[in-house]
Amino acid sequence: GDSVTQMEGPVTLSEEAFLTINCTYTATGYPSLFWYVQYPGEGLQLLLKATKADDKGSNKGFEATYRKETTSFHLEKGSVQVSDSAVYFCALSLPSGGYNKLIFGAGTRLAVHP
Amino acid sequence: NAGVTQTPKFRVLKTGQSMTLLCAQDMNHEYMYWYRQDPGMGLRLIHYSVGEGTTAKGEVPDGYNVSRLKKQNFLLGLESAAPSQTSVYFCASSYTGTSTDTQYFGPGTRLTVL
Repeated sequence: GDSVTQMEGPVTLSEEAFLTINCTYTATGYPSLFWYVQYPGEGLQLLLKATKADDKGSNKGFEATYRKETTSFHLEKGSVQVSDSAVYFCALSLPSGGYNKLIFGAGTRLAVHP
Repeated sequence: NAGVTQTPKFRVLKTGQSMTLLCAQDMNHEYMYWYRQDPGMGLRLIHYSVGEGTTAKGEVPDGYNVSRLKKQNFLLGLESAAPSQTSVYFCASSYTGTSTDTQYFGPGTRLTVL
């Protein structure tokens, strides 16, 4: 079945370090790919998305490239800040019976220390 | 523009009690969704609606009912709460049901069933 696998956390980094959170997917169709972020005590916010192969989504210094050949959508940021501490969810979306079926990974918690 | 709002934010129930969670969106979205978030499992779809007056089952619908009497509101009901329904519940909405569209999430309701 359709699924998303992302690296287990927590990921602990020092401020200004480079961040990579791995995400791979399995899908029967041609999905769109998303990264959502959940700050403590809040709901999920869209961070970035890509809707076709080789597309790069970017926002707030974060980037991810839709790699169809490796079925991956890894999240990267060149220099993290304390304010980036949150849980990051990779998700895929497929059309399913007339609605937008969104399948999430388990989430990766990021902790950034000064 | 408040986006997606949820009430209440927190609730504690005893086994067998009933309650209704309210979701409201002011973005004129057609599609609305209810998810539950459990540790290490990402988000799972409970029920969804593709328009006013419609509802459909998602991945984990047992023990829940929903109604969409008005386009802007989507209600989630628990008729007889069980400890297994202890979770964080998120509502989301989207303008279309296409896989490229973004779902916008509310802040969540933390429910504890004793």
